[in-house]
Amino acid sequence: AQSVTQLDSQVPVFEEAPVELRCNYSSSVSVYLFWYVQYPNQGLQLLLKYLSGSTLVKGINGFEAEFNKSQTSFHLRKPSVHISDTAEYFCAVSNRDDKIIFGKGTRLHILP
Amino acid sequence: DADVTQTPRNRITKTGKRIMLECSQTKGHDRMYWYRQDPGLGLRLIYYSFDVKDINKGEISDGYSVSRQAQAKFSLSLESAIPNQTALYFCATSDPTGDFYGYTFGSGTRLTVV
Repeated sequence: AQSVTQLDSQVPVFEEAPVELRCNYSSSVSVYLFWYVQYPNQGLQLLLKYLSGSTLVKGINGFEAEFNKSQTSFHLRKPSVHISDTAEYFCAVSNRDDKIIFGKGTRLHILP
Repeated sequence: DADVTQTPRNRITKTGKRIMLECSQTKGHDRMYWYRQDPGLGLRLIYYSFDVKDINKGEISDGYSVSRQAQAKFSLSLESAIPNQTALYFCATSDPTGDFYGYTFGSGTRLTVV
């Protein structure tokens, strides 16, 4: 069985500062990993995904994530956040033959 | 038009009433899912369907039922709504055979049971 743990339920950060949202997963088989973003009062949008290949994955809006198999982590980073990055971020795990399991989410608060 | 359309967008219903949430997609995907989102709990899988003849329970299926009327349509029913089913419900589709693998989500249905 697969599971996802998002280590922080809320992360406050000042505008233009860097941010890291942490995600750890567990799985007995090869995994696909995702980050989704949910802006206030909207649905979920794919931010980036790791399927195979390079462990550093770049997504939309300047976000990137690094797959670390030994640490079973897939942390999301952005070097400089903007007020428009205020949202809830969900880490998710799947394998090709199964459904996607989501973490509980991390709310990113951008402070002026 | 949206790739995944959910209706209604908002609904208020009374305890004990039967309600159906509908989802239709133009992606041509075989796989469809229903999730509910609650604050602090993330998204939890209610039911999923890998094709028209395949229906599977997710982690929180009690109190819910589904119908896959066609490849493009997947409906979620609450047979007798209760207040703790108040939540934001999302439908999603996926195609694991292509280069892109991940979900396409609908905009959600906000359901309030009073």
